[in-house]
Amino acid sequence: GAVVSQHPSRVICKSGTSVKIECRSLDFQATTMFWYRQFPKQSLMLMATSNEGSKATYEQGVEKDKFLINHASLTLSTLTVTSAHPEDSSFYICSARVGGRSSYNEQFFGPGTRLTVL
Amino acid sequence: QQQVKQSPQSLIVQKGGISIINCAYENTAFDYFPWYQQFPGKGPALLIAIRPDVSEKKEGRFTISFNKSAKQFSLHIMDSQPGDSATYFCAASIEGSARQLTFGSGTQLTVLP
Repeated sequence: GAVVSQHPSRVICKSGTSVKIECRSLDFQATTMFWYRQFPKQSLMLMATSNEGSKATYEQGVEKDKFLINHASLTLSTLTVTSAHPEDSSFYICSARVGGRSSYNEQFFGPGTRLTVL
Repeated sequence: QQQVKQSPQSLIVQKGGISIINCAYENTAFDYFPWYQQFPGKGPALLIAIRPDVSEKKEGRFTISFNKSAKQFSLHIMDSQPGDSATYFCAASIEGSARQLTFGSGTQLTVLP
């Protein structure tokens, strides 16, 4: 199956610093990537949808200036949490989708990144 | 309109038993219904998915039953094993919406040895 990687898997940072999380599709080209946030024992909350070469579409309530998303290539998307604060501590998960109408466009999920802001 | 409601929140089953998780939706435009399995500290992994033109799909011990008129679908895990202990999420998506997934709230399954 298709593999999506995330780096780092775990990061601890001080309040006020910025953190970048990378999401890579290893063996396929992803026309669309999604970023999710998951709090303990809760479901996945979609933060934004990004298409290669264009600006990300953010879900209502997600601060685009705080969560910067770049989808520079068909295999790489990055999420930068700017000026992180303790309330940003969460599990961040990306997924990647192969485009085209021929399939139901299964999303392949990365292993997640645990962010802890002190 | 976009919600997918999932139940139960938690489920405890004996080894060898059948685990059943239910989901209901309102938006009739949904046309793809996947189930994901998530282990602690890991990302979700696709288990099985169904389209509304079929009423049942089986893959190994996992079966999705789909009731279009009732707008409900369920996951059945036959011969449940301790290794199946995980959180299960149902989801739904619409063609043309970039295939964004709307997730259910999740079910924590524990299979006792």
